[in-house]
Amino acid sequence: DTAVSQTPKYLVTQMGNDKSIKCEQNLGHDTMYWYKQDSKKFLKIMFSYNNKELIINETVPNRFSPKSPDKAHLNLHINSLELGDSAVYFCASSHGGREPQHFGDGTRLSIL
Amino acid sequence: AQSVAQPEDQVNVAEGNPLTVKCTYSVSGNPYLFWYVQYPNRGLQFLLKYITGDNLVKGSYGFEAEFNKSQTSFHLKKPSALVSDSALYFCAVFTGGGNKLTFGTGTQLKVEL
Repeated sequence: DTAVSQTPKYLVTQMGNDKSIKCEQNLGHDTMYWYKQDSKKFLKIMFSYNNKELIINETVPNRFSPKSPDKAHLNLHINSLELGDSAVYFCASSHGGREPQHFGDGTRLSIL
Repeated sequence: AQSVAQPEDQVNVAEGNPLTVKCTYSVSGNPYLFWYVQYPNRGLQFLLKYITGDNLVKGSYGFEAEFNKSQTSFHLKKPSALVSDSALYFCAVFTGGGNKLTFGTGTQLKVEL
């Protein structure tokens, strides 16, 4: 059973398009996250939700909009995609911030 | 600002030899420190954490880490490296004020026969 699953695994699209990435966790965790990993493997948090409430919103362009319909799901919608958005996006979940986070296997976004 | 530093981009070790991956931290207050491993095309996997207590923390796959408050370090160690340990390792610190994990830049571990 996959603990944290993301779809799609690969996303290839053109500049200017709008796309969404979905994340689901079956661990019963109350906190979910979105991270961006760039081509140099640097990992940076983008958003965090606790019990469906946004608690972390880093300096991310407002073209990125997270949405948490329930505690088990956290989706990421991206408007007007730009070349610089090409990266691997990871979803993660945990029991609060101090506990270990469980990561999905990432969505590889490539902008043409 | 609270941060962690991983001074080595890459560490090369022969199989069977001990390995150390270095991490230093800078936090105000008590640190909550973590090590994660990332295999190619996979998400990060939790290895171990230090919250409080014993300075030597044991984790998954035979890894351990030593917390040293005076040197503000949290180095990852393993007594005998395996080729399958080759991966990207991240140190991270939980920052209570920001309620988030801040990751180091990662260290690529290469274990050779």
